[in-house]
Amino acid sequence: DIQMTQSPSSLSASVGDRVTITCRASQSISTYLNWYQQKPGKAPKFLIYAASSLQSGVPSRFSGSGSGTDFTFTISSLQPEDFATYYCQQSYSTPLTFGQGTKVEIK
Amino acid sequence: QVQLVESGGGVVQPGRSLRLSCAASGFTFSSYAMHWVRQAPGKGLEWVAVISYDESNTNYADSVKGRFTISRDNSKNTLYLQMNSLRAEDTAVYYCAKVPDCSSTSCYRAFDPWGQGTLVTVSS
Repeated sequence: DIQMTQSPSSLSASVGDRVTITCRASQSISTYLNWYQQKPGKAPKFLIYAASSLQSGVPSRFSGSGSGTDFTFTISSLQPEDFATYYCQQSYSTPLTFGQGTKVEIK
Repeated sequence: QVQLVESGGGVVQPGRSLRLSCAASGFTFSSYAMHWVRQAPGKGLEWVAVISYDESNTNYADSVKGRFTISRDNSKNTLYLQMNSLRAEDTAVYYCAKVPDCSSTSCYRAFDPWGQGTLVTVSS
């Protein structure tokens, strides 16, 4: 199974800050990497696919990059509605696996 | 718009069975693979199972293989998860999710959108 490791597990940031989350795969997954946002009590929301492509309707302040084993997710200017938990997910092979999540909290 | 509505969750004793349903609307259900993903209370996301659009292929997480069965009824636009021999560690919110509409092979095994989830609690 492919293990996905996110860092940090949590972070505190202020509105307007640039936020970066990293995700590392235990083996190369090319660009088969997706990102999700989850708010408390809600289902996850699909944000980015293929490591760097923004899903339709997702604000452009969200971006992703990387390939192989190392990936980055960035929020260029944090907005109040962005406080949530973010998950990476590899779609290279089954079993499909997620990172443990990164909780973005208000500083 | 696409809507996925799960039902069938509840409290069940260890070793018993439960069947979850996911009613789909707003898209051509019979054209899309579908997934189940779960989330234990306060924990992260765990993929459970996938079924192809025509039910010809299924795949499961090792943690549920041999105990859970994913199926679908395309005439009823409904996805199912039959859960047998339930264990305490199966306690979770269970989400159904559609394969997204995006132009990448990365999307074939992604999830968008998700239903609101249904809580399954396995406890004596």
